[in-house]
Amino acid sequence: GAGVSQTPSNKVTEKGKYVELRCDPISGHTALYWYRQSLGQGPEFLIYFQGTGAADDSGLPNDRFFAVRPEGSVSTLKIQRTERGDSAVYLCASSSSALAGNTGELFFGEGSRLTVL
Amino acid sequence: AQSVTQLDSQVPVFEEAPVELRCNYSSSVSVYLFWYVQYPNQGLQLLLKYLSGSTLVESINGFEAEFNKSQTSFHLRKPSVHISDTAEYFCAAVFSGGYNKLIFGAGTRLAVHP
Repeated sequence: GAGVSQTPSNKVTEKGKYVELRCDPISGHTALYWYRQSLGQGPEFLIYFQGTGAADDSGLPNDRFFAVRPEGSVSTLKIQRTERGDSAVYLCASSSSALAGNTGELFFGEGSRLTVL
Repeated sequence: AQSVTQLDSQVPVFEEAPVELRCNYSSSVSVYLFWYVQYPNQGLQLLLKYLSGSTLVESINGFEAEFNKSQTSFHLRKPSVHISDTAEYFCAAVFSGGYNKLIFGAGTRLAVHP
């Protein structure tokens, strides 16, 4: 597609449920990032993929959060046993290379808004 | 801890007036600095960046930012704003040792009034 696509755009779930958020990056982009944006805050780094592997997952808050990118394109962020504090907008971004990403050339999706009741 | 601070959460301004959005970062041996903009119902977009060289960098739509190492600042300025500049602006940094990890400020909402 033309840009980074994220689905669903909105997700409402109940505390304790499992959630998957999908990111479809720009075709050919090797680097993919997940960020989380809570209300009134800037985006917070979660994880960075280069190809299929997670090059840096230091931002994942705990072991309830997990992300995969099995074929080096689409990525899924998985959240187990959701808590109310997980409510946020989850942003995905991609860049054409690691170098491009390190110099700010990220293309962001519009985000998936997660609400945990 | 490495951080980026945007002191102003909201900046109201009249059309054609000048504006400055402030950004400070925690001191670092090496840092790349960025401003991103988010228009309503759109994703974040890179506005401008400082990597090295000239400390004054410009965007295609008239914004500029100056890297000031002594004051650890990277303020964003525009001499005359338009209604279409209404958006949320985020300052961000990549610090040495944080390869490919953008650290964002909390954002400043610029509201341009006619």
